[in-house]
Amino acid sequence: EDKVVQSPLSLVVHEGDTVTLNCSYEVTNFRSLLWYKQEKKAPTFLFMLTSSGIEKKSGRLSSILDKKELSSILNITATQTGDSAIYLCAFNAGGTSYGKLTFGQGTILTVHP
Amino acid sequence: GAVVSQHPSRVICKSGTSVKIECRSLDFQATTMFWYRQFPKQSLMLMATSNEGSKATYEQGVEKDKFLINHASLTLSTLTVTSAHPEDSSFYICSASMETQYFGPGTRLLVL
Repeated sequence: EDKVVQSPLSLVVHEGDTVTLNCSYEVTNFRSLLWYKQEKKAPTFLFMLTSSGIEKKSGRLSSILDKKELSSILNITATQTGDSAIYLCAFNAGGTSYGKLTFGQGTILTVHP
Repeated sequence: GAVVSQHPSRVICKSGTSVKIECRSLDFQATTMFWYRQFPKQSLMLMATSNEGSKATYEQGVEKDKFLINHASLTLSTLTVTSAHPEDSSFYICSASMETQYFGPGTRLLVL
């Protein structure tokens, strides 16, 4: 059964700290891995990583896919209170399951002033 | 990014009534949309795949007669929770199928 596991489940830091969130997956037919940020409403898209695009960066956020280790990390540098949210990792399978996202449990990030 | 809207954003209903939630893709055509459910402090769980012009595909454990899905056009999918009960109270979210999936803002359903 396809599975996505995130760690840690929760993290509390202070503004200015750097955090690394982890996502590992076991899938039979990998197409892409996606990172989302969820505050009070639905998830907002951060990054998509595929075999041909294993590293992405946007401002203080960056993400890397390690296909050998079947894992991905999301880095946030110089954290701000506005980064407080649930960060979700999901994989998008290929084949007949294309488009159906399987999510990890999420990491709850709390950034204190 | 692509824009997906949902309506209503919040609904409170009495037990036994039916509730319809709309999901629209505003700036693109979506032949496939997905419906997810999220309980408090839990991750998103896929309920069903909505296919334009054909029957929805439900995930294991999701009752198709309780959660009716209609995808009548390339920009609209609806989820109807029939005979809602308190245990159906949840956050329902749709997404439109593109390589990078974008989610609607979600609908909070509270069944009294």
